[in-house]
This record gives sequence, structure tokens and C-alpha cells, in this order.
Amino acid sequence: DAGITQSPRYKITETGRQVTLMCHQTWSHSYMFWYRQDLGHGLRLIYYSAAADITDKGEVPDGYVVSRSKTENFPLTLESATRSQTSVYFCASSVFGELFFGEGSRLTVL
Amino acid sequence: DQQVKQNSPSLSVQEGRISILNCDYTNSMFDYFLWYKKYPAEGPTFLISISSIKDKNEDGRFTVFLNKSAKHLSLHIVPSQPGDSAVYFCAASLNNNDMRFGAGTRLTVKP
Repeated sequence: DAGITQSPRYKITETGRQVTLMCHQTWSHSYMFWYRQDLGHGLRLIYYSAAADITDKGEVPDGYVVSRSKTENFPLTLESATRSQTSVYFCASSVFGELFFGEGSRLTVL
Repeated sequence: DQQVKQNSPSLSVQEGRISILNCDYTNSMFDYFLWYKKYPAEGPTFLISISSIKDKNEDGRFTVFLNKSAKHLSLHIVPSQPGDSAVYFCAASLNNNDMRFGAGTRLTVKP
């Protein structure tokens, strides 16, 4: 099916471990985004990408790394997970200013 | 620094009545505003949008109003239906990237 696919949907890890959340889109949209959703904060932008090999920081980039070697993939890596990174992460792609979101990845850091 | 604010975390209305969700923003450079709807365990889905050059956009039961001088927008749902119960996020963007979201308002429509 066309759309945005995130994996894993659920992940439990320990403090200090590296975690990578995957995001794949089938539309070939230029822009892709990573958001985290936390109670009281809504959706906060972590990183975004305007095209392959072009990425930029959002509101809360610290502790995260992204890459975009192919247009359709935009993985998000937590190099050394912390408890404050426990959250629901949403990947999205964009066309004409409208965002299309994946179903989210719920990450728990113990 | 939250540039988009939804000051009401929750709203409860009766079925058939009007729901009004409010949103304020601080950055006058935002040029596009959107509302997203989110059900539990799902990603947000686009609902309606408005360009900064307009003051109203209507789509069926949903109408978004923009007051640029007050840096305020609102979403009206009329008539409200139980299936409208969800979390609604207001969003604002600049040049189609770096979209900022509010904290969300949980709408409950009671039968």
C-alpha cells in the first residue's frame, strides 16, 4: 500500500543503547519530517529533510541523528538513548504544505 | 518557545452543537495554517487548511477562520458528531517546511 510506513511500531530499550527508527514513503515526496509527541507539548519537530542528502534541525534535535541517502527513506537514530527520549515518534512527508503522517513508533527508554 | 499555542487542553460538546477550537500563534511570518485530527494509536490526519491571504475556508462541516491581526485561528465544527471526538492539532508553517504544532485539544462529542 502507498503511504508512510514506520518501524518498529513499539520499542523498549535501555538507557545508553542506540536505537534507529525507520521511515519509508512510497510517494517520492521531497520533504520528510520527524516529530515527537509528548503530553503538553503536542508535536515537536526533531529534524526535517528537503531532499536526499539535505537535512536540517528542527525544534528539538539534540540527541538525534538523521540521514537521507534515498528519497524514500528517512531513518532517525538515537545514538545513546535517554529516558527523556521516551515518546511517540511520527514520521511525515509533505507535498504542497500538507503533511502525511505515519502511524507512529512508541519508544520507551528504561 | 512555543510559537503555536492551543490553550484549551480539552473541550466537551453535545452532539449537534457547534465545536469551536482555538489556536494562537506568535510568528507573523507563518504563511500557511492547518488543522490535523488524531485518533488514538494513529498518526495525525489532515483536516483543513488556510493560507495567510485568506480569512476563511470552509469544507463541509468544518470551517477555519484566520484573524491575522490577532494572530488567532479557530476551527468550527457544525454540527458536531460523536465521530469527531479526537485530538485536534493546530499547525503553522513557513515556506512549506518547519511546520510547528500546538499542544492539541481533545474534543469529546457526547451523544
